[in-house]
Amino acid sequence: QVQLQESGPGLVKPSGTLSLTCAVSGGSISSSNWWSWVRQPPGKGLEWIGEIYHSGSTNYNPSLKSRVTISVDKSKNQFSLKLSSVTAADTAVYYCASTPPQQLVPVEYFQHWGQGTLVTVSS
Amino acid sequence: EIVMTQSPATLSVSPGERATLSCRASQSVSSNLAWYQQKPGQAPRLLIYGASTRATGIPARFSGSGSGTEFTLTISSLQSEDFAVYYCQQYNNWPPELTFGGGTKVEIK
Repeated sequence: QVQLQESGPGLVKPSGTLSLTCAVSGGSISSSNWWSWVRQPPGKGLEWIGEIYHSGSTNYNPSLKSRVTISVDKSKNQFSLKLSSVTAADTAVYYCASTPPQQLVPVEYFQHWGQGTLVTVSS
Repeated sequence: EIVMTQSPATLSVSPGERATLSCRASQSVSSNLAWYQQKPGQAPRLLIYGASTRATGIPARFSGSGSGTEFTLTISSLQSEDFAVYYCQQYNNWPPELTFGGGTKVEIK
């Protein structure tokens, strides 16, 4: 059973860069899953940020693409999120999540989730 | 972008009653739709994928139906632990632009 755990600063200054890491346990990040970041502003709904495959291939939400970088570190079995030029609108609980193992046709729902980490953007 | 619209925003139901939640896509997503349950302070939990397949460990009182643009999540007999917010998510496009509905809160009547 794959388990995911987010870590990173809980407070980021406006115009700064939000950086989070998701540690993967109970499975290998080199398996055929896509690894995603999803966020949820307080009291609001879910927004997909982007994803990465162990090969380094990425897909991003077009609305955030100019500010997002997702990377993978296979040696540490983890993947990371960087979101630049943050504002108060980026305050949210950030989740890492994984799809099931991919077959011939992509299936991009989220089978496993981390517990989430609240990131507040404030001076 | 495929916009997912859920209705109603809030559903008041008594324990033991049936709850019917709707999710509409702005264009066809075939059967590439998932449902999640989220309780306060917790991460979402996968309930249904492929529009109608229950995820591992999900009770049979949860069922999903629909295809194309109209989808339904039915909880046949609400238990106390089912009061939560439910989200639908489409995963039809490649490269993906994964989108969620705004959620339906199921509350105790």
